[in-house]
Amino acid sequence: DGGITQSPKYLFRKEGQNVTLSCEQNLNHDAMYWYRQDPGQGLRLIYYSQIVNDFQKGDIAEGYSVSREKKESFPLTVTSAQKNPTAFYLCASKIGGINTGELFFGEGSRLTVL
Amino acid sequence: GENVEQHPSTLSVQEGDSAVIKCTYSDSASNYFPWYKQELGKRPQLIIDIRSNVGEKKDQRIAVTLNKTAKHFSLHITETQPEDSAVYFCAANNNAGNMLTFGGGTRLMVKP
Repeated sequence: DGGITQSPKYLFRKEGQNVTLSCEQNLNHDAMYWYRQDPGQGLRLIYYSQIVNDFQKGDIAEGYSVSREKKESFPLTVTSAQKNPTAFYLCASKIGGINTGELFFGEGSRLTVL
Repeated sequence: GENVEQHPSTLSVQEGDSAVIKCTYSDSASNYFPWYKQELGKRPQLIIDIRSNVGEKKDQRIAVTLNKTAKHFSLHITETQPEDSAVYFCAANNNAGNMLTFGGGTRLMVKP
């Protein structure tokens, strides 16, 4: 059953701690993305990767880091430098190449900083 | 970079009425405009998209129109049903074509 899986679904973190969100896909997609969703602000791009071992900053990369060591995996680390990390995080993937192509989203991870 | 604005932020209609959601974009090089639907507690899913070489596209009760000159595009839902209730996001690609910028979302409520 092909798809994109995010874990954990819910995560609580104390201030000052780093936390890593997992994103795995078995769709054989080249491109992967991390979005942050806040009420009334749509989906804002944090980081994206078009190929293994390469990634680029999106619009709100500060306080986040990523890696792309394997095609199927694109973990996101929310560092203590992120000023307002409480949010809903969505991972997505699509077939590689430019221009168009459907984004397939995971079910999301909700991070709450206590 | 690309800036996408979406209106209205909330929309309430009676079942059977039509609903229209509008988006504007800033980058004249954008050429791909998808719409995603996110039901409560679920992941966003693509419902329709349009490329800049056409002005309108229909899929059953859903249609999208694009005005490249004015840099705006709209989603039209006819004969709305309660299951259309969701948050809808418009998006536009960047000039390199490898990123999507999303609008702020519209919460559509269809009252039975």
